[in-house]
This record gives sequence, C-alpha cells and structure tokens, in this order.
Amino acid sequence: AQSVTQLGSHVSVSEGALVLLRCNYSSSVPPYLFWYVQYPNQGLQLLLKYTTGATLVKGINGFEAEFKKSETSFHLTKPSAHMSDAAEYFCAVSGAGGYQKVTFGTGTKLQVIP
Amino acid sequence: GAVVSQHPSRVICKSGTSVKIECRSLDFQATTMFWYRQFPKQSLMLMATSNEGSKATYEQGVEKDKFLINHASLTLSTLTVTSAHPEDSSFYICSATDRINTYEQYFGPGTRLTVT
Repeated sequence: AQSVTQLGSHVSVSEGALVLLRCNYSSSVPPYLFWYVQYPNQGLQLLLKYTTGATLVKGINGFEAEFKKSETSFHLTKPSAHMSDAAEYFCAVSGAGGYQKVTFGTGTKLQVIP
Repeated sequence: GAVVSQHPSRVICKSGTSVKIECRSLDFQATTMFWYRQFPKQSLMLMATSNEGSKATYEQGVEKDKFLINHASLTLSTLTVTSAHPEDSSFYICSATDRINTYEQYFGPGTRLTVT
C-alpha cells in the first residue's frame, strides 16, 4: 500500500522568493517518487523523479527535490520563483520497478505574486 | 520524444449517449496505458490499466461496463463512456509507459468531457 500527503493545497510566494512544496509518502516497498506540474486544462508534465542513487534530484525549470528516507519526505524546491511557475503541482509515488501503479497526492496550487 | 496525444481535447454530449476518447503514443510503443479521471481541483484517480491485447484491469469502484477500455495496438488505447450522465463530466487523462522506462508514465493532454 502507498499514499502521498501534500501539505498545503495552496502556496503563495513572491516572485524571486524560495519555493517549497511539501510531500510526504508512505510505502510498504522501496518507492519511486515523482513531481509533476499541471497547467490549467492540460495534462501532467514530469518535473523530476527519484528512483535510485543520489537522493538530491534535479529537474527541469530549476526545480529540485531531496529524497529523505528517514523522514519519508520528497519536498520540491526552487531557489527563485518565476511567474511562469504558477501551476498545480502533484507529488506521486510508485513501487520500485516497472509497470507499478502510481498514487498521486491531492496537489498544491502555487501562486506567484509579482 | 515520448509524446502522448488525446482526441478530442473537449467534447460535449447529451445524457444517454456514448463518447469515445482516443489515446495515442506518437513516437514509442506503449506496452501499458493508464486512464485517469480528475474532478475539478482534485487529484488524479486511476480508473484502469490496460496492456496491449489484454483486457483492462479496473480499479475498485470503476464500472467496467460503463467505461469500456480497448488497447488494440501498441500505439492506441480508447476509452468509451457508455450511456453518459452529467456525473460523468470530468477531465480524463491517459498515460503510457514504454518498453525501456517502464516505471515512468508519459501523460496525454487530457480530454474535458461535459455531459448535458
């Protein structure tokens, strides 16, 4: 069984400020972890993923996330928010290996204030 | 690479009619495809998983006779909503995995279904 908890359904940051979106997971097996971004009326775009190896993962658009097993967390960060970062962000978890069912969090809507 | 398309992007239909949504992998062979629905301001809920040439596996609570899924080829899966009702109005998203990165799903742009 697996689940994802995203703290904060809405997060507001000023343009240029640090972005921190929180994600905690629960998994009975070694997890693969993902962050996706969704713009209105569009599908999901993969930002980054953790499978094995280095626990600090860098993704597209300047985002990164760190897998912390002891804290069962996979928080998403970006040093400096841009207006184009305003979107919905989903954290997701699956079991390790292929063809695994992916469970999504409830999403966090990021607002960037000019 | 790894592009997934959906057609149509938007569809409006009358209650009681059936609607077919197509999901295509454009530049890879999709061994497995997934169908999700997303209600406004909510997360994605997996409806079913399909493998090419096999019957789809539906999640608990999803009516397989209402949501017909066909994965007839390695590049095409279809979702047919039969006898649609207003409560079926939602955003439907498909995803696909290829033979190499079997843990990564590539998502389509979604289909907005409105049943009047």
